[in-house]
Amino acid sequence: DTGVSQDPRHKITKRGQNVTFRCDPISEHNRLYWYRQTLGQGPEFLTYFQNEAQLEKSRLLSDRFSAERPKGSFSTLEIQRTEQGDSAMYLCASSLEDGGRQPQHFGDGTRLSIL
Amino acid sequence: QQPVQSPQAVILREGEDAVINCSSSKALYSVHWYRQKHGEAPVFLMILLKGGEQKGHEKISASFNEKKQQSSLYLTASQLSYSGTYFCGTEIRGATNKLIFGTGTLLAVQP
Repeated sequence: DTGVSQDPRHKITKRGQNVTFRCDPISEHNRLYWYRQTLGQGPEFLTYFQNEAQLEKSRLLSDRFSAERPKGSFSTLEIQRTEQGDSAMYLCASSLEDGGRQPQHFGDGTRLSIL
Repeated sequence: QQPVQSPQAVILREGEDAVINCSSSKALYSVHWYRQKHGEAPVFLMILLKGGEQKGHEKISASFNEKKQQSSLYLTASQLSYSGTYFCGTEIRGATNKLIFGTGTLLAVQP
């Protein structure tokens, strides 16, 4: 049973560039979540999918952020025109759908550094 | 809206016990507990629903008081491997399907 896989593990880019991250969830999980975590803080919810449908997006998420899960399997998170404040760890998690009774399993994250 | 955890940090000797508290200002549907080591992903420990108490694994257990909107994590006879940052993740009634994580508790277990 492979866990949640994220790629790349690290991304360094200049301010203003676009970046894209990928997440491969646990194969039988139909829910996929994106979180952002900054140093010393807990993960902050960004968005989640049930199969290919994006069901919720945080109001904190600017229009520069977009996420997709085209075939209900892997997901991508894109950040356009990156800013210094986007520097963080971006975590992906997946779970089975069961009304909150299922744990979310996290990947190792993608650490984004904006120069 | 972010749950508050206490204490912020705790240092233990091996074999000692600890309690970590998580308090929310919102009515909760469930509480999830995670442990995160530096540079690693959060690791799931356990879920509590509707005031139930569930023992996760090893010597770690937790309780959930729905009325008080609080949960506590109990670590007994702590081991070096228990070191890390503990987060509660809460599902708020009426806004389930996403976790709102607490402020975190840093636990250091020393030999």
